[in-house]
Amino acid sequence: AQSVTQLGSHVSVSEGALVLLRCNYSSSVPPYLFWYVQYPNQGLQLLLKYTSAATLVKGINGFEAEFKKSETSFHLTKPSAHMSDAAEYFCAVSDGVKPNDYKLSFGAGTTVTVRA
Amino acid sequence: NAGVTQTPKFRILKIGQSMTLQCTQDMNHNYMYWYRQDPGMGLKLIYYSVGAGITDKGEVPNGYNVSRSTTEDFPLRLELAAPSQTSVYFCASSYSPGTGGDQPQHFGDGTRLSIL
Repeated sequence: AQSVTQLGSHVSVSEGALVLLRCNYSSSVPPYLFWYVQYPNQGLQLLLKYTSAATLVKGINGFEAEFKKSETSFHLTKPSAHMSDAAEYFCAVSDGVKPNDYKLSFGAGTTVTVRA
Repeated sequence: NAGVTQTPKFRILKIGQSMTLQCTQDMNHNYMYWYRQDPGMGLKLIYYSVGAGITDKGEVPNGYNVSRSTTEDFPLRLELAAPSQTSVYFCASSYSPGTGGDQPQHFGDGTRLSIL
């Protein structure tokens, strides 16, 4: 069974500073990994996904994530934070193996605040 | 393109009342899901459906029921509302994971439900 751990429930950064959100996963098979963002009073939107094509994945809004199999990690970064990046971010994993290929396991989420 | 639409957006129920949360999608996705989101807990899967007429339980199905009579609609029913069901409910949909779990899920904006 797969699971996800997001380190840090809250992250505060200054505008223009690096954003780093940590995600570690456990999976018995090569996983599919996703980062979602949730703005206040909205649903989750896909930021990016890893599906084994490349270890460095670029997403929307300047975010990217690197898959490191040896560290079982999929950390999300953005070089320069913007006020509009204030949101909650979720890491999720799917092992893609039937009959549980539908199952997406989510981390607890990391709330990002951006200081002016 | 509306995507996934949930109604209502907010609702307050009394203990013991029943209600149906509506979800419809216009992307012709065959997989649909219901999650609940509680603070600091991420998203937990309540029920899912792999196509019209086929539904199955997720992690936390107790106290809920679903049906799937069409590809587009996947309503969630609470029969006897309890305070523990106070939560934010999200409906999502995706294409079939196919040979792997790489199909992202698309989320509605949620229904915020309070049971008093």
